[in-house]
Amino acid sequence: SQKIEQNSEALNIQEGKTATLTCNYTNYSPAYLQWYRQDPGRGPVFLLLIRENEKEKRKERLKVTFDTTLKQSLFHITASQPADSATYLCALPGDSGNTPLVFGKGTRLSVIA
Amino acid sequence: DTAVSQTPKYLVTQMGNDKSIKCEQNLGHDTMYWYKQDSKKFLKIMFSYNNKELIINETVPNRFSPKSPDKAHLNLHINSLELGDSAVYFCATAPGQNVADTQYFGPGTRLTVL
Repeated sequence: SQKIEQNSEALNIQEGKTATLTCNYTNYSPAYLQWYRQDPGRGPVFLLLIRENEKEKRKERLKVTFDTTLKQSLFHITASQPADSATYLCALPGDSGNTPLVFGKGTRLSVIA
Repeated sequence: DTAVSQTPKYLVTQMGNDKSIKCEQNLGHDTMYWYKQDSKKFLKIMFSYNNKELIINETVPNRFSPKSPDKAHLNLHINSLELGDSAVYFCATAPGQNVADTQYFGPGTRLTVL
């Protein structure tokens, strides 16, 4: 089954800089990949979905890339703000077909003013 | 109105007890899920229901029994609670059965088994 690595457990950056979070997967290449945000004591909130035929997707200050050759997605937050501090999870299907999402452990981002 | 709500938010109980967690959604979604997030923060699916029918049971012990009385509710009953059941349990919903559908999560129920 699919294994996901978000290889930074925690990331600290200065306000105004661009945060880049990484999601690597090890097995079959999924048709799409999702990113969620989770604040302490709350449930995850959907941010973006990117499909395998899309190299890049943007939403306001967020940008996601998907490289099926590298088996990697990058999640960027430009002009980061303290309010962006949260844990960011990537999620993709556990296997081929319509199998349940598998979530990464997440990267805890802290944006320092 | 909260789209996906769970009760209770916190649950502290003794080993061996039986407890229930309730989930209600007002989004009109067909699919509902239960997830477990353990102390290491891994979020793992337990069950999926579509229109009150069980679709996915991810090798969860049969001490866990989900029940969907109607499309808006998916409750989780846990028998003979064990220390390892301590975790945060999230309910989530999605419009359909397509796993690509956006999932909407509830606020979570933190279960502590003493």
